[in-house]
Amino acid sequence: QITLKESGPTLVKPTQTLTLTCTFSGFSLNSNGEGVGWIRQPPGKALEWLALIFWDDDKLYSPSLQYRLTITKDTSKNQVVLAMTNMAPVDTATYYCVHRRGPARHYNWFDPWGRGTLVTVSS
Amino acid sequence: SYELTQPPSLSVSPGQTATITCSGDKLGNKYAYWYQQRPGQSPVPVIYQDSERPSGIPERFSGSNSGNTATLTISGTQAVDEADYYCQAWDSNLEGVFGGGTRLTVL
Repeated sequence: QITLKESGPTLVKPTQTLTLTCTFSGFSLNSNGEGVGWIRQPPGKALEWLALIFWDDDKLYSPSLQYRLTITKDTSKNQVVLAMTNMAPVDTATYYCVHRRGPARHYNWFDPWGRGTLVTVSS
Repeated sequence: SYELTQPPSLSVSPGQTATITCSGDKLGNKYAYWYQQRPGQSPVPVIYQDSERPSGIPERFSGSNSGNTATLTISGTQAVDEADYYCQAWDSNLEGVFGGGTRLTVL
């Protein structure tokens, strides 16, 4: 059974860097085809894909946010970390960690999802 | 950037068929995925690769994708199906894209 759990601050100040950690179990990011991603959802709004890291350390980023995002993995700890710089109130959202599935790296879908963590950006 | 468009809302009566559309340029040339999000819960995939059902998803959920439109169909809609539904695809620039979501009300 695959599980993922997000952790990190619930409140950050504008201009600060947000660092979120996803701790997962039930698979290894050393295994061919595996990947972990991040998706966010502002309160009452739609889902937005942010980033994805693959078993071979290939990384994909949302073009609109790529200059603010860094995704890394620590396979020994079964963790993936997302860093987002220069946070602003519009970045207030629930941030989900997700396990990727799919036959190729441009055919990605997400299952399962973590429970999500609400991050509020406010001074 | 690539965009996916969904109707904001849809209402159906119990037992009826709910049809939720997702439109995007040449979407039929890509795979479409669908997620169900019940209030206060994380999304769950209900359709992947246009028409495949993940394990545990009832047979009343089906999907299709052709031309510029992907469709999620829920046959014999039940009250438990009331949720937000999101379509998703990958564009040629390897960007994950979600639709704006459709709120399905079963009344």
